[in-house]
Amino acid sequence: SAVISQKPSRDICQRGTSLTIQCQVDSQVTMMFWYRQQPGQSLTLIATANQGSEATYESGFVIDKFPISRPNLTFSTLTVSNMSPEDSSIYLCSVRDRGEKLFFGSGTQLSVL
Amino acid sequence: KNEVEQSPQNLTAQEGEFITINCSYSVGISALHWLQQHPGGGIVSLFMLSSGKKKHGRLIATINIQEKHSSLHITASHPRDSAVYICAVETSGSRLTFGEGTQLTVNP
Repeated sequence: SAVISQKPSRDICQRGTSLTIQCQVDSQVTMMFWYRQQPGQSLTLIATANQGSEATYESGFVIDKFPISRPNLTFSTLTVSNMSPEDSSIYLCSVRDRGEKLFFGSGTQLSVL
Repeated sequence: KNEVEQSPQNLTAQEGEFITINCSYSVGISALHWLQQHPGGGIVSLFMLSSGKKKHGRLIATINIQEKHSSLHITASHPRDSAVYICAVETSGSRLTFGEGTQLTVNP
């Protein structure tokens, strides 16, 4: 199993600023996944964070807006840059263990004014 | 049409009732996941299925690959079961597609 510590749990930010979300896993994992969940909608994959290489972004998401760091096999950050009210969402990180079971962080509720 | 459809969208039950949440999908899958999301956003994995049936406590998950359908059952429901239940299907390359979730409220 894996335990993920995600922070902050929530934040209220001003338009045009940036917020960095951190996820720390209690075990080494090859891939970490970052998701966005807009109000009333399902989860959408933003990018897959790989250690030692650039993140792989899904269609509609770009590195300039959502830069990701993955300095080692237990830690990753997602930055939401130049925020607008449309970025108000829950952001979640996720990993899979060797048995392919899914584990999620507790989520970051972001509100942009 | 979404690749993953859940029904119902919202469900209210009385404590003790037997609950069923359905998930239909339109693509070939390698596995299906049932997830539970509590207020505040945190998500817990309940089941990962590729065939048949799994049981954990009061929760039962079934899948019919031929009919592209899965169900999540909760026996003897309790107010602490109140949450959003999400179905996610896994396709080639371990890609996940999520349903929009079913909001379950269990009243005492």
